[in-house]
Amino acid sequence: GAVVSQHPSWVICKSGTSVKIECRSLDFQATTMFWYRQFPKQSLMLMATSNEGSKATYEQGVEKDKFLINHASLTLSTLTVTSAHPEDSSFYICSAKEPSGKTQYFGPGTRLLVL
Amino acid sequence: GQNIDQPTEMTATEGAIVQINCTYQTSGFNGLFWYQQHAGEAPTFLSYNVLDGLEEKGRFSSFLSRSKGYSYLLLKELQMKDSASYLCAVSGDSWGKLQFGAGTQVVVTP
Repeated sequence: GAVVSQHPSWVICKSGTSVKIECRSLDFQATTMFWYRQFPKQSLMLMATSNEGSKATYEQGVEKDKFLINHASLTLSTLTVTSAHPEDSSFYICSAKEPSGKTQYFGPGTRLLVL
Repeated sequence: GQNIDQPTEMTATEGAIVQINCTYQTSGFNGLFWYQQHAGEAPTFLSYNVLDGLEEKGRFSSFLSRSKGYSYLLLKELQMKDSASYLCAVSGDSWGKLQFGAGTQVVVTP
């Protein structure tokens, strides 16, 4: 299957700081990328759909000013958690889909801990 | 509303067969996916069904009945490494947005 990378894999930060997470599709061009959040022992919750060259579409209840998404190229989307607080601590996972494909391929995830 | 249901946990012994059921009610349907997720890791793709019937891929098979809003994932010849959470996900639109079930934790015992 296609390869998606995420960086960093682990982040520990102080409350109030901003954290940027990168998601890259390594061997295909992804016009659409998705950002999910997963709390312990829960399933993945879609946060937003990121389309290359346009604004992201956020799911209900997700603050777009807090979770900034940029999809500037066909292989890179970034999620910035602004002014992070302890309740933002979670496992953030991105996925990417080929333009003609149906399957989403997931990155390895980024574990965020806000102190 | 939208709903995807699957059992919370299943236990089986090594070498056995386990069937994980998934029922769904979504406003649109553009395919059903099964993913495997080991603890602390991201999900990995297992199978995709969009037409009714059985798709076989090695030890794993997936079945879909669109009229019943039902799918199952069949794991044969269970191995210890199959202990993981199995996620049923439905794509409800052409953009590929996925809605996930809560996952079924499969525990394989010796």
